Amino acid sequence: SQQGEEDPQALSIQEGENATMNCSYKTSINNLQWYRQNSGRGLVHLILIRSNEREKHSGRLRVTLDTSKKSSSLLITASRAADTASYFCATDWSNDMRFGAGTRLTVKP
Amino acid sequence: KAGVTQTPRYLIKTRGQQVTLSCSPISGHRSVSWYQQTPGQGLQFLFEYFSETQRNKGNFPGRFSGRQFSNSRSEMNVSTLELGDSALYLCASSLEVQNEKLFFGSGTQLSVL
Repeated sequence: SQQGEEDPQALSIQEGENATMNCSYKTSINNLQWYRQNSGRGLVHLILIRSNEREKHSGRLRVTLDTSKKSSSLLITASRAADTASYFCATDWSNDMRFGAGTRLTVKP
Repeated sequence: KAGVTQTPRYLIKTRGQQVTLSCSPISGHRSVSWYQQTPGQGLQFLFEYFSETQRNKGNFPGRFSGRQFSNSRSEMNVSTLELGDSALYLCASSLEVQNEKLFFGSGTQLSVL
């Protein structure tokens, strides 16, 4: 079963614009992670935020976590065509990682 | 350091056959997890191995099994293949604990005809 759910399912933007993806989860967590997957390949870890953190930055990525609402958001600033990929949130659930269904991001040049 | 290596990259089998997939984790990583990815179900957790022991298991039938060797390399086996087993099978490794940062292989794309 999936623990996290991303929203929207698909997002299409122009190069240079910002992209925001949201993730909601059901149970309490120790950490929440975001991963990127290019078509048909393995997932690449982007960022991990712990339950006692509210915001984290990594390059053009900004992640927020609201444990009271059981939600997280991933912001990609100044998007590039190379950011085109699927993005997944993952939460630790019963000692293993569970992934959401993902947001498909398309960045048009 | 070499990344997570999965073999083979592509596999075509027929219903009723069995298949074995292999995963070599990053050197020093002791936890290996397996996931099944399909367009309809997304990423589904299969199982996790740590120090040759299955530590966690997802909600899959007994036809799906795995093991881990003393060098942390892992294999998963699917017996009596069904059409619905067609999927991308992903292996991920981590240092100690499965719910920390995962490093994924490129996956094995299994097609069952």
